[in-house]
Amino acid sequence: KNEVEQSPQNLTAQEGEFITINCSYSVGISALHWLQQHPGGGIVSLFMLSSGKKKHGRLIATINIQEKHSSLHITASHPRDSAVYICAVRDGATNKLIFGTGTLLAVQP
Amino acid sequence: DAGVIQSPRHEVTEMGQEVTLRCKPISGHDYLFWYRQTMMRGLELLIYFNNNVPIDDSGMPEDRFSAKMPNASFSTLKIQPSEPRDSAVYFCASSLGAGGVTDTQYFGPGTRLTVL
Repeated sequence: KNEVEQSPQNLTAQEGEFITINCSYSVGISALHWLQQHPGGGIVSLFMLSSGKKKHGRLIATINIQEKHSSLHITASHPRDSAVYICAVRDGATNKLIFGTGTLLAVQP
Repeated sequence: DAGVIQSPRHEVTEMGQEVTLRCKPISGHDYLFWYRQTMMRGLELLIYFNNNVPIDDSGMPEDRFSAKMPNASFSTLKIQPSEPRDSAVYFCASSLGAGGVTDTQYFGPGTRLTVL
């Protein structure tokens, strides 16, 4: 079993829909990251959080430390949101980043 | 700042050849990370440096891989000899810190390596 699990693996949505991507992890962490990888391959760090909720534009990230779960929400989705979204946790014991396998999101116009 | 710079962007080589990937981190960042991304395994941390010193190389797959950081503005990842299973996208990233609130990692564009 992977230490970081994401769901769904693939997601297709219509423009304007509200999108949720989930991340569950099994290790003790000091922080959790959400990354976005565009079709061209570039990786952008969206959020780093260790508790509660963060919001940036149409993106919202939440984390529940007790349940070892995080969600990334996209409101009013747009085709330009199409990308792979990757959850990564920083292992509290080793300080290493452990990556999920990513969620491929396609937003259709 | 230009961001993290990697070169080359694409590399095609034959099995057995030496491959050198290069990275210039963002100026002022104390941490530099090398990652490998494949379809099968996703993103994996290979090695990271703090102030030019390798801190953890446990992700380096085998002795054919080596990484150096001779100064704060340059790092190399070398594969010798290369094998087809090394084909992947190699990312370099840098950050101010590696565990605190300032540790957002900034990724380079990656080097797509194909070993024939």
